[in-house]
Amino acid sequence: AQSVSQHNHHVILSEAASLELGCNYSYGGTVNLFWYVQYPGQHLQLLLKYFSGDPLVKGIKGFEAEFIKSKFSFNLRKPSVQWSDTAEYFCAVNVPGTGNQFYFGTGTSLTVIP
Amino acid sequence: EADIYQTPRYLVIGTGKKITLECSQTMGHDKMYWYQQDPGMELHLIHYSYGVNSTEKGDLSSESTVSRIRTEHFPLTLESARPSHTSQYLCASSESGLMNTEAFFGQGTRLTVV
Repeated sequence: AQSVSQHNHHVILSEAASLELGCNYSYGGTVNLFWYVQYPGQHLQLLLKYFSGDPLVKGIKGFEAEFIKSKFSFNLRKPSVQWSDTAEYFCAVNVPGTGNQFYFGTGTSLTVIP
Repeated sequence: EADIYQTPRYLVIGTGKKITLECSQTMGHDKMYWYQQDPGMELHLIHYSYGVNSTEKGDLSSESTVSRIRTEHFPLTLESARPSHTSQYLCASSESGLMNTEAFFGQGTRLTVV
């Protein structure tokens, strides 16, 4: 099984602050990478995904993530957070062609203070 | 908007009862998954299915069972609930036949066994 590490468990930011959430994975081959967001009381939603090509991917709501293969990382960023970004963020990985099992990190709880 | 539905959203039940958590999707996805989510922990895959009459156990051992008689339906059953089964259960689906695909999630069932 793959492992996914999210180093920030709880992050508290003021509105307009910049955000970076770390994500590292263990698999050495080709991977698909995802960030999911779970707003309070809602289901997990896809924020962005990387399959191939440009390692800098842009998602919804101003989020972006950069895939750095040499570091096995896929960090999530947003230049200026809003109160509405308060949520739980999960990094996930799967290996193409292996049955599409998705492996998730432990999640990062982000609280944005108005 | 994902079309995957879980019922009930919340369930409080006594020890020893049999329960079935329902999951249905209208996207025609062949692959379906059950994850267990506890606070501060990663999502753990407990069951998955590649299609009708296909079920497999995930990485996390679970006393629950699943069935896949119809493409759109993937119920999870606990024959005798125990307090250790208290958790949030998430159902997901993804498209098969593609190397690169994302998972779509239901809103989850929060189970409390007293």
